[in-house]
Amino acid sequence: DAGVTQSPTHLIKTRGQQVTLRCSPKSGHDTVSWYQQALGQGPQFIFQYYEEEERQRGNFPDRFSGHQYPNYSSELNVNALLLGDSALYLCASSLDGRAFFGQGTRLTVV
Amino acid sequence: AQSVTQLGSHVSVSEGALVLLRCNYSSSVPPYLFWYVQYPNQGLQLLLKYTSAATLVKGINGFEAEFKKSETSFHLTKPSAHMSDAAEYFCAVSERERDDKIIFGKGTRLHILP
Repeated sequence: DAGVTQSPTHLIKTRGQQVTLRCSPKSGHDTVSWYQQALGQGPQFIFQYYEEEERQRGNFPDRFSGHQYPNYSSELNVNALLLGDSALYLCASSLDGRAFFGQGTRLTVV
Repeated sequence: AQSVTQLGSHVSVSEGALVLLRCNYSSSVPPYLFWYVQYPNQGLQLLLKYTSAATLVKGINGFEAEFKKSETSFHLTKPSAHMSDAAEYFCAVSERERDDKIIFGKGTRLHILP
């Protein structure tokens, strides 16, 4: 059984551009959460999707948006990229409360 | 609002020595507390989780943590450090038993000295 997979693993974007990160949850997991981990910091909760709806949201601007598909996979979209958006973006999937994390996507904004 | 504070961004111990990583929490409701480990270029792995069933929680890889309400602490310990324990450790809190909206500390980098 594959765990949580994220793509791409690394990405370089220019300020002002838009980016889409993808997450495939662990088999059978219906809930996907996204976290941003800046260098030297702990992960910060962005939002959570369940049944294709955003269920909870952290303190992130509207530039950060997401989507969940019927197969439970999810996307994180960030518009108008800023240098400060450079970070490791982690996806976590869960079923019945136990979260499993992917290895993350390293986004560098130049 | 919930938060956790990890004392010490870097901790060094000798191989075979006791590992003690400190975490204090703040929560207006009974907290659910976690310790996660992150190896270089990898995601987060759950070490253990406190859910009020027992104050002493045993996790994977020989780690354990004790919930002390009077001290608002949830320190992580391991009796004997191994070189493979070198990693970043995160204490975290959630207000629900489901792993929803987990609030992480800033992390403690554990170095193991030969």
